[in-house]
Amino acid sequence: DAGITQSPRHKVTETGTPVTLRCHQTENHRYMYWYRQDPGHGLRLIHYSYGVKDTDKGEVSDGYSVSRSKTEDFLLTLESATSSQTSVYFCAIRGTGEGTGALHFGNGTRLTVT
Amino acid sequence: EDQVTQSPEALRLQEGESSSLNCSYTVSGLRGLFWYRQDPGKGPEFLFTLYSAGEEKEKERLKATLTKKESFLHITAPKPEDSATYLCAVQAGGGSQGNLIFGKGTKLSVKP
Repeated sequence: DAGITQSPRHKVTETGTPVTLRCHQTENHRYMYWYRQDPGHGLRLIHYSYGVKDTDKGEVSDGYSVSRSKTEDFLLTLESATSSQTSVYFCAIRGTGEGTGALHFGNGTRLTVT
Repeated sequence: EDQVTQSPEALRLQEGESSSLNCSYTVSGLRGLFWYRQDPGKGPEFLFTLYSAGEEKEKERLKATLTKKESFLHITAPKPEDSATYLCAVQAGGGSQGNLIFGKGTKLSVKP
């Protein structure tokens, strides 16, 4: 258990509404990531953070923003949700020790945009 | 462009029937290759990291191997509880900040 909690676990929202997903970690890891997972695609990186207030874009960042005001929390915001953002969203932290470099994932948020 | 391809997409085995999953990759400066297991409704669970060609790692019925172009996940005498989707990912060199590039996965079903 990597000590990662994602909330909410499920959400249904309407097109055009803003949505914020939360990732909370308990182990003081520096690096945090947001991925999305869709049928027919591998996990794809949206944004990542390498420290408080330090973030950068990933492969599929359009339409998403992130914030990290404290080490333990990494927020993903969809400014104006679209149906193409219906997906399962996973937060991850970068591990240390055995398997250094491996990412450890939360259990995801299933988002449906109607 | 860094890329990871997994095959087959799906694999159905009888309990006890050993087999292998393949992960081929093209990446500039491999820093590590990672195997994960994902159960329905859950996040990927880390299994192994391989860093250099010739390296092998084992865990229970699973054994991962690495060459310069591909990795194999060998499953010996699988049980129904091994049914899951297995994901392969690579970490490239350079300023990737630890990002992993994932394949689409192999869905394994083991029938009793």
